[in-house]
Amino acid sequence: EAQVTQNPRYLITVTGKKLTVTCSQNMNHEYMSWYRQDPGLGLRQIYYSMNVEVTDKGDVPEGYKVSRKEKRNFPLILESPSPNQTSLYFCASSLTGEVNEQFFGPGTRLTVL
Amino acid sequence: AQSVAQPEDQVNVAEGNPLTVKCTYSVSGNPYLFWYVQYPNRGLQFLLKYITGDNLVKGSYGFEAEFNKSQTSFHLKKPSALVSDSALYFCAVRDSIYNNDMRFGAGTRLTVKP
Repeated sequence: EAQVTQNPRYLITVTGKKLTVTCSQNMNHEYMSWYRQDPGLGLRQIYYSMNVEVTDKGDVPEGYKVSRKEKRNFPLILESPSPNQTSLYFCASSLTGEVNEQFFGPGTRLTVL
Repeated sequence: AQSVAQPEDQVNVAEGNPLTVKCTYSVSGNPYLFWYVQYPNRGLQFLLKYITGDNLVKGSYGFEAEFNKSQTSFHLKKPSALVSDSALYFCAVRDSIYNNDMRFGAGTRLTVKP
């Protein structure tokens, strides 16, 4: 089944404790992206990747890191999480970054205390 | 940079009535426009897109959207709403010039009452 998977689905952590949210797709998509969803703000793009080893900042990259060492994986790293990073996070992928629609993962709900 | 606005936080319609969810956009080049739907505790699902061609685009679950270049709008429509259409709807845009990033609207919550 074609899908985007994220782990973990739920995470409660404390300020400053490094964490990684994994994202994997099995559709051989070139483009992958991370978003955060906050009430009243919709989805805001954190980082995106056009292909392996090619990443770029989205709207709200501060406090986040990403890497794209393999085509299928695009982990999101929070080196020192803070409470304002409490949010619902979505990973998405598409065939390419231009006219193709994105496929979304199920989301990761992160709470930083 | 491109931007998109959904002027209504909430839309309420009765089952069987037509529905419209509004979206306006701003781009430097040509717009690539998308509609997504989010059901509770789920990721977003693609409904339809406009890239070029006919201004009326048909998508999943009986939804359609009309691209209006002069009004820079891309409203989502359905002739007859179902209770199961109740969800959060997002409009999104890419700019043909700066086409690597996608901008989403804040979302419109559609409630269809029996």
